[in-house]
Amino acid sequence: GESVGLHLPTLSVQEGDNSIINCAYSNSASDYFIWYKQESGKGPQFIIDIRSNMDKRQGQRVTVLLNKTVKHLSLQIAATQPGDSAVYFCAESRKAAGNKLTFGGGTRVLVKP
Amino acid sequence: KAGVTQTPRYLIKTRGQQVTLSCSPISGHRSVSWYQQTPGQGLQFLFEYFSETQRNKGNFPGRFSGRQFSNSRSEMNVSTLELGDSALYLCASSLGSAGDSPLHFGNGTRLTVT
Repeated sequence: GESVGLHLPTLSVQEGDNSIINCAYSNSASDYFIWYKQESGKGPQFIIDIRSNMDKRQGQRVTVLLNKTVKHLSLQIAATQPGDSAVYFCAESRKAAGNKLTFGGGTRVLVKP
Repeated sequence: KAGVTQTPRYLIKTRGQQVTLSCSPISGHRSVSWYQQTPGQGLQFLFEYFSETQRNKGNFPGRFSGRQFSNSRSEMNVSTLELGDSALYLCASSLGSAGDSPLHFGNGTRLTVT
C-alpha cells in the first residue's frame, strides 16, 4: 500500500554538526510534504513544509529537499543543538485527501554534547 | 495565540467502557483532524472535520466517531473500548486544506485501557 518511510530509526549527531534526516514516499500523486518534530510528552510540532512544485525550501536552520524523481524527501538541520534532540516525522498528503496526512515511522535524533 | 488544546491529558478506562475526548482548535482554524499514535502503528489518521462536516475518514472501526461544533471545537468518542485502543490521541487544526496550511497539533490525550 501507500506509505511514507524513513531510512534510519536513530541518528546520533555531535553538537554543532549538521544533521540529515531522510524519508522515502511511494505515492507519486503526493503533492504536499511536512516535517514534524516530537519531543517526549508533546504533540508533533510543525517544522517546515514544501509543495511538489518546489524542490527546496529553507527555514531557520532547516532546509527541506524534495526529489520527485526518486520520491525522496530530506530534512537538513544546520549546527545541531541539544534542543534538537527529538523524534522527527515526515508526512505527505494529496490535495484531494484534504488534511489526511500519511506519516513515516519517525527518526530519533540524539545530539551528543 | 493559544495553540490546540486537548482535554483531558490522561485517561484510564476499563474494557467495554466508552470515552469522549475534547479538542479546542487554534482560533480561526476551521479544520480539525484526529490521529492515533501508538508505538507499533505510529501516527494514523482517524478523521477530519471541516465546518461541522466530516470531510475524510481513516480505516478505523465504527466504534471511533467524532463531531465538530459550530465554534470549531471537536470531540471524538470511542465506544466499547478494547485493550488495543490504548494510545495517544492527537488533535490537529489548520486554516484550510493540506497544501494551503499545515496542521498544528495539540499535546494529546493519553488513553490507557485496562
